[in-house]
Amino acid sequence: GQNIDQPTEMTATEGAIVQINCTYQTSGFNGLFWYQQHAGEAPTFLSYNVLDGLEEKGRFSSFLSRSKGYSYLLLKELQMKDSASYLCAVIGDYKLSFGAGTTVTVRA
Amino acid sequence: DTGVSQNPRHKITKRGQNVTFRCDPISEHNRLYWYRQTLGQGPEFLTYFQNEAQLEKSRLLSDRFSAERPKGSFSTLEIQRTEQGDSAMYLCASSSPRGFGANVLTFGAGSRLTVL
Repeated sequence: GQNIDQPTEMTATEGAIVQINCTYQTSGFNGLFWYQQHAGEAPTFLSYNVLDGLEEKGRFSSFLSRSKGYSYLLLKELQMKDSASYLCAVIGDYKLSFGAGTTVTVRA
Repeated sequence: DTGVSQNPRHKITKRGQNVTFRCDPISEHNRLYWYRQTLGQGPEFLTYFQNEAQLEKSRLLSDRFSAERPKGSFSTLEIQRTEQGDSAMYLCASSSPRGFGANVLTFGAGSRLTVL
């Protein structure tokens, strides 16, 4: 089975940086995903890490350490539109298993 | 291609009634997934199709739930004798058959079910 843990809530100020941590224990591992989900909307793909290290994509970066079962999503230069839930997910053979999500609130 | 389409977007029903949701995946995607999401939780896996074959069904899916993908294109999820605990957002997702995209799920907007 899969066990994925991430904080429930985080609050930050517009323009700041926030780091969302995710730890996982899985029976199979083919990669780790981060999805963004605004209230009432579908999850949208942000990043995919298969190998250890940092993947940077604009204001968002994602890091993976497979030996530690650990990942983080780094959001820089926060904007109000970044207020959303951020879901950490691990893929085994073919299906994604999600954490409960971290609700990020960006304040002016 | 307009992405993954789900209908209806909202459904309110009385306990004991049957409901059916439809999902139209991205046309070239052969993998199709159903997830269920309740407030404050991440999506929970329900079932998975590769083409028309249903390859896995979660233990969460009781015998009141059935999913089909008759021609390997659209899929339906039926819930019989609905219960209040079935109230949730039902999400459909699809992914392409190969390469990087094979592991990236594209989600539809979801079908929100409210059982009174």
